[in-house]
Amino acid sequence: AQSVSQHNHHVILSEAASLELGCNYSYGGTVNLFWYVQYPGQHLQLLLKYFSGDPLVKGIKGFEAEFIKSKFSFNLRKPSVQWSDTAEYFCAVNGYNTNAGKSTFGDGTTLTVKP
Amino acid sequence: NAGVTQTPKFQVLKTGQSMTLQCAQDMNHEYMSWYRQDPGMGLRLIHYSVGAGITDQGEVPNGYNVSRSTTEDFPLRLLSAAPSQTSVYFCASSRQGVTEAFFGQGTRLTVV
Repeated sequence: AQSVSQHNHHVILSEAASLELGCNYSYGGTVNLFWYVQYPGQHLQLLLKYFSGDPLVKGIKGFEAEFIKSKFSFNLRKPSVQWSDTAEYFCAVNGYNTNAGKSTFGDGTTLTVKP
Repeated sequence: NAGVTQTPKFQVLKTGQSMTLQCAQDMNHEYMSWYRQDPGMGLRLIHYSVGAGITDQGEVPNGYNVSRSTTEDFPLRLLSAAPSQTSVYFCASSRQGVTEAFFGQGTRLTVV
C-alpha cells in the first residue's frame, strides 16, 4: 500500500526565513506528486505538482519542490517565507495511472510564520 | 465558475441521526471523491466515483454510503451518525488522466 510521510508536524518561522518541508513516499511504481496548501478557513488548493520531466518544479507564490527518485522524496522549499504563508501543507501521491481523486495524503505540516 | 461546492458548511448531529452531505461540481469532471480530515491524520479517502453510476470504496468507507446519479453530484450519506464520524469532510473532483484534484470548502461535522 502506498503511504506518505511528512516529517515536520508543526514548523514555526520568522518572516524572511527559508522553508523546507520534508515529504517521503512509499509506492512501488511511477508516481504523481503534489503539494496542497490549506489556508485558515479555506479549502485545499494546489501549490505545485510533479508528473514527469524536470524534477525541480515551481508552483505558486514562490514555492518549489524537488523530486528525488532515489530517495523517494518530494521536499517543498521557499527561500523567504511571508506571514501570509501561514497554513497547513499536505504532500500527496498517487500512482501514475491512478487518478488524483485517489491520492494518498501525508498527515500535514502546520506552518506558522511570525511577523 | 463555482468549482466544487459543498453544503452545509457546518452541521451538528446527535448520535444515530442520519444526514446527507452534498457535493456538486460544474467542471464536468469524471472523478469525484470524499475525504475526511482528522487532526494529525491528514486526509483519508472514504469513497470515490469514476463516473455516473460507478462508485467504489476508499480507505475508510464504513458508516458511509454514496451514489452518483449524475456527473455533477456526489452526495455522501451517514445512515446512523456516530461520534467517531466527527470530522471535516472534503469533496474533490478531477478530470480523467494525469491531473490534480480540486477541493470544495469542506463540511465540519460534529456528532454528539
